Amino acid sequence: KQEVTQIPAALSVPEGENLVLNCSFTDSAIYNLQWFRQDPGKGLTSLLLIQSSQREQTSGRLNASLDKSSGRSTLYIAASQPGDSATYLCAVTPGTYKYIFGTGTRLKVLA
Amino acid sequence: DAGVTQSPTHLIKTRGQHVTLRCSPISGHKSVSWYQQVLGQGPQFIFQYYEKEERGRGNFPDRFSARQFPNYSSELNVNALLLGDSALYLCASSTGTGGAGETQYFGPGTRLLVL
Repeated sequence: KQEVTQIPAALSVPEGENLVLNCSFTDSAIYNLQWFRQDPGKGLTSLLLIQSSQREQTSGRLNASLDKSSGRSTLYIAASQPGDSATYLCAVTPGTYKYIFGTGTRLKVLA
Repeated sequence: DAGVTQSPTHLIKTRGQHVTLRCSPISGHKSVSWYQQVLGQGPQFIFQYYEKEERGRGNFPDRFSARQFPNYSSELNVNALLLGDSALYLCASSTGTGGAGETQYFGPGTRLLVL
């Protein structure tokens, strides 16, 4: 059974700091790994999607890497800003039709 | 283009009642998925519908049911509500059933509180 774990559960950093969020999964047979952002009480916004054949994706200050063989992904946020404060969710697609999500990392960036 | 829309935004019910949640996908998307997110947890997959047929079901009791209409909108029905059904219910749409490189687009959710 695929399980997704995110560490740390919560993180508080001063503005401007570079930070890394971690995601691990137990079964390497995945189609995609995707990082989402969720603001309190809101829906999910896709940040980056990495296909199983890819190693990393970048968008602006965000970079996500995937090591499928070890079951790990990291989300790197450069020069963090207060507007980055949110919950970050990692999800894998083990086959078609569904995501399996981790429990998320709650990030707070202090001004 | 409008994103995924869900109604209602908030709902309060009592135990034993029935609830219907609605979702309209992005124009051109034929697949709708439903997720339940309990406070402090990641979303859990409930159903996926594609071209009006159920393509996947998560580990939820038979009190949960769904359907998809010819215009690809969808309803999630929950019977005999329990306190533990209190959650944010998220709808997501996509062009296909999912595969390499395909993403689902999420709506803002319906917050259900069962008293």
